[in-house]
Amino acid sequence: QQQVKQSPQSLIVQKGGISIINCAYENTAFDYFPWYQQFPGKGPALLIAIRPDVSEKKEGRFTISFNKSAKQFSLHIMDSQPGDSATYFCAAADEKLTFGTGTRLTIIP
Amino acid sequence: NAGVTQTPKFQVLKTGQSMTLQCAQDMNHEYMSWYRQDPGMGLRLIHYSVGAGITDQGEVPNGYNVSRSTTEDFPLRLLSAAPSQTSVYFCASSRTLDNEQFFGPGTRLTVL
Repeated sequence: QQQVKQSPQSLIVQKGGISIINCAYENTAFDYFPWYQQFPGKGPALLIAIRPDVSEKKEGRFTISFNKSAKQFSLHIMDSQPGDSATYFCAAADEKLTFGTGTRLTIIP
Repeated sequence: NAGVTQTPKFQVLKTGQSMTLQCAQDMNHEYMSWYRQDPGMGLRLIHYSVGAGITDQGEVPNGYNVSRSTTEDFPLRLLSAAPSQTSVYFCASSRTLDNEQFFGPGTRLTVL
């Protein structure tokens, strides 16, 4: 049973556009929601994270929106750049970290 | 700081062979974990540890053993390799579960 559902599987966005990746969860015990970015051949690296007492967190061009009642959270990348092309994973933690299946983002000129 | 190191980077095994994937961190992190990454399936937790002497199973523990005798090291043992264990394996560490996890560079394992 997949505890964290992520969509879309792949996404193509034009340079300068907004990239949006969505995740949904069922376990209400989750209390920490990070997003990780992974480039080919590398390990994932933390991008941004949020806790459920906050509805939005922004760091530069990256924003997490969190809807506790709907059990959904999303990553928005503003002014998307070719260097943002990577695979993005959402995750959720209770006593361990559970990852979504990933979204391959491609930014085209 | 070297961060999280993993050895080897690549490994080819035959079915039935055993081996140990090494993981070490020099950040004095209590929480360490092993994941496998397969296309379309994201990162799946194999085993994790919240401190020396304490380990627990993740989502896909079958066929793998771990131990945590020191804070720094968290080796993953494949008991009898199977083709289904062909994957990229990542080790990660963090100060606590709800803090940034630092990932190693990964080990690409092929089981023939």
